[in-house]
Amino acid sequence: AQRVTQPEKLLSVFKGAPVELKCNYSYSGSPELFWYVQYSRQRLQLLLRHISRESIKGFTADLNKGETSFHLKKPFAQEEDSAMYYCALLTGGFKTIFGAGTRLFVKA
Amino acid sequence: GAGVSQSPRYKVAKRGQDVALRCDPISGHVSLFWYQQALGQGPEFLTYFQNEAQLDKSGLPSDRFFAERPEGSVSTLKIQRTQQEDSAVYLCASSLASEAFFGQGTRLTVV
Repeated sequence: AQRVTQPEKLLSVFKGAPVELKCNYSYSGSPELFWYVQYSRQRLQLLLRHISRESIKGFTADLNKGETSFHLKKPFAQEEDSAMYYCALLTGGFKTIFGAGTRLFVKA
Repeated sequence: GAGVSQSPRYKVAKRGQDVALRCDPISGHVSLFWYQQALGQGPEFLTYFQNEAQLDKSGLPSDRFFAERPEGSVSTLKIQRTQQEDSAVYLCASSLASEAFFGQGTRLTVV
């Protein structure tokens, strides 16, 4: 079965603390994974994708095929990082499956 | 326009009423997707178009749901005889490659 699991609905951290948003996937093919973010009153937008191996706004994510995970990390959280984060899996070349999302709240 | 545009932004329908939701994708984007997002959940795939061809409609929850993209640009998602469980945000996205660009969504409330 194709599935994306985000075990935490809410993650609350203090400003300056490290943050890790967990994502696990289930997919028999070669996975292409993404993190999307939705800031308050804004549309869903791409944050980063694993094939780019890039760091966006200080966030990184490493694909671990052995653990079927794609956790999103940032060493020092900022208040402006508060948002809804969705892990997503691209299957069959076009269908993207989303996790249920994790709301990150960064406290001052 | 610069992004994906959806209309209306909000729709209240009485149970049993038919509704039509519109999506204007980014110009030139071949792929168009519809998603349904229930409260507290991630977007759930409904259907996919490549130009005017509907290549996958496996996510449509019932035969009351129908989507079209007759000229390979604007798309309409139609829901017939709406039910309360149809209440959700309906998201449209378009893409050229793997990155999907989303609209603001249409929040449908069935009363």
